[in-house]
Amino acid sequence: QVQLVQSGSELKKPGASVKVSCKASGYTFTSYAMNWVRQAPGQGLEWMGWINTNTGNPTYAQGFTGRFVFSLDTSVSTAYLQISSLKAEDTAVYYCARESDSASFDYWGQGTLVTVSS
Amino acid sequence: QSVLTQPPSVSAAPGQKVTISCSGSSSNIGNNYVSWYQQLPGTAPKLLIYENNKRPSGIPDRFSGSKSGTSATLGITGLQTGDEADYYCGTWDSSLSAGGVFGGGTKLTVL
Repeated sequence: QVQLVQSGSELKKPGASVKVSCKASGYTFTSYAMNWVRQAPGQGLEWMGWINTNTGNPTYAQGFTGRFVFSLDTSVSTAYLQISSLKAEDTAVYYCARESDSASFDYWGQGTLVTVSS
Repeated sequence: QSVLTQPPSVSAAPGQKVTISCSGSSSNIGNNYVSWYQQLPGTAPKLLIYENNKRPSGIPDRFSGSKSGTSATLGITGLQTGDEADYYCGTWDSSLSAGGVFGGGTKLTVL
């Protein structure tokens, strides 16, 4: 069965960096794009962008350029989200989500809470 | 401000029917498939509807989706207390800020 398992919660100070992992299993990792979605506390879903798991080419949504980096390690079927120069407003749950053939997000990771606080 | 517009909340009694609307534009809903996601409290979103009106395996037929022009609707019949959740519509946008877009979410309360 398809599973996306994300790394655990993180508590970081402002200015630090964090790297969230998303390990896929139960399917061929390079056959489906991986997307990232942010959900700030008490807020809705916000699409951050996606990464082509074949080429490694990332695409970032407006507002997620510069400090946000998507990457892959296809040898272990894992996608990564790295955020640098963390700010308090980066505090959120970050989800990875597989993009299906129908352009919907058919499988989601359990989410990773990143808390930025001094 | 979300690109897609949903009502913040809806409510209905157990056993009743409810609909949730999602309004967009020609650059998103008007020219792309719509998906719907259910987010139970404290959990990750779950795909309910894809390609406007199709249900993934395991999703009961109490859930239905439709699309007309630049709007979409999620319907839930035979409401159960376990349906209390946030519901999000999503699609793709082909404007200058192309990419995935979501509605602001609708909180369903089963009274």
